Order: sequence, then structure tokens, then C-alpha cells
Amino acid sequence: GAGVSQTPSNKVTEKGKYVELRCDPISGHTALYWYRQSLGQGPEFLIYFQGTGAADDSGLPNDRFFAVRPEGSVSTLKIQRTERGDSAVYLCASSSNPGIRNEAFFGQGTRLTVV
Amino acid sequence: QKEVEQNSGPLSVPEGAIASLNCTYSDRGSQSFFWYRQYSGKSPELIMFIYSNGDKEDGRFTAQLNKASQYVSLLIRDSQPSDSATYLCAVKPPGAGSYQLTFGKGTKLSVIP
Repeated sequence: GAGVSQTPSNKVTEKGKYVELRCDPISGHTALYWYRQSLGQGPEFLIYFQGTGAADDSGLPNDRFFAVRPEGSVSTLKIQRTERGDSAVYLCASSSNPGIRNEAFFGQGTRLTVV
Repeated sequence: QKEVEQNSGPLSVPEGAIASLNCTYSDRGSQSFFWYRQYSGKSPELIMFIYSNGDKEDGRFTAQLNKASQYVSLLIRDSQPSDSATYLCAVKPPGAGSYQLTFGKGTKLSVIP
């Protein structure tokens, strides 16, 4: 596709449940990022992939959060035992190279609501 | 603690005026600076990036960077109602392993017809 695609666009889940959020980056982009944006805040970095490996996962808030990118393209963000505080818009972005001058392009996001 | 500070606004300007959006950052070694526009309920959209001190112009947009003052700004000339959005300043910190962007909270701009 022409842009970063995220599914689902909206997800409502009950507290304690497990969720998976999917990101399909721009074709050919090797770098992929996950961010989380709470209401009234800027996006907050979670994890960065270069190819299949997680090069920087320093933003993951705790061990309930995990992300994979097994074939170096599509990525899945997994959240176990969801809590109400996990409610936010989860944004995925990709870029063509990981250098300091890369420009990251964002998908439309998945709005996660934990009830 | 790496911080990016923006005035949350709202900043209101009349149509046709110049809108000036400001951002300061705490990490002196930061190398790359980005401005994203975010419409309500939508994802951030990259509109400008700047790496060198001085001005960079693209159409109605001008980004200004002053590394000595740790200050980056975005000017929007001939503001239009369609420019009404939240503008996010983002900074890429130094270091070979640092690819994450640190975002400010954003400034909400309202252009009044």
C-alpha cells in the first residue's frame, strides 16, 4: 500500500484481556516504530525495529508489552493483561533508513479502549 | 530526562496572518528536528524537518533552528482555516543508537476566517 496501515482502527477490550495490534509499514521501509499517544499528549516512543530485530525497546512501559516483526515487514504489538491505563492511540511509523535524518511516516493508529 | 516543550495554546490567528509556533528542547546534542501536523482524531503528518542552524522554507512554511538557544520554530504564512490543527515538535536525540523521536505535547492552532 501507499502508506502505513494499522488494524484494527478501534479496539475495545475488557480489563485483563490480551490484545494484538497490527502494523503494515510502507513497502521497502526497514525501520519501524511504535508510539503511544494519550489524550492531550504527544506521541510517546515504545519500540524501534530495524529489520526483524528490536533495536531499541527502551520505551516499553513494562513486561506486559511485547512486539514482534518476524519477517522484517509487518509488526504486531501485543499487550497482556490489559489495564485501563493502557487506553490510548497506538501509532506505528516507518522510515526508509534509520539514520539521523530519517523522516518517519505514521499510520492512522489503533484506538485502544480498555473497559 | 530529554524534554521537548511547547506552549499548548490554543493559538488563535486571523486568516491571512502569520502563525508562529515555538519549541524548546533540553538535550543540547540533538541533531534532527521535525514538525508534524495532527488534525483532530488523525495521525501526525510530517510537514517540515530541519538539521542545520538557520531557516528552511517550504511553501508557506518556514522552520527556524537555533541550536545555541536550543530553540526551533515553525512559521506559517498566509494562514488558512485548513491549517487549524495541533502542531507537534519532535526531536531526535544524539547517539548512534537513538532513533526514537521525543515529542512535545503540541500547540493547538486555530485560524479564524
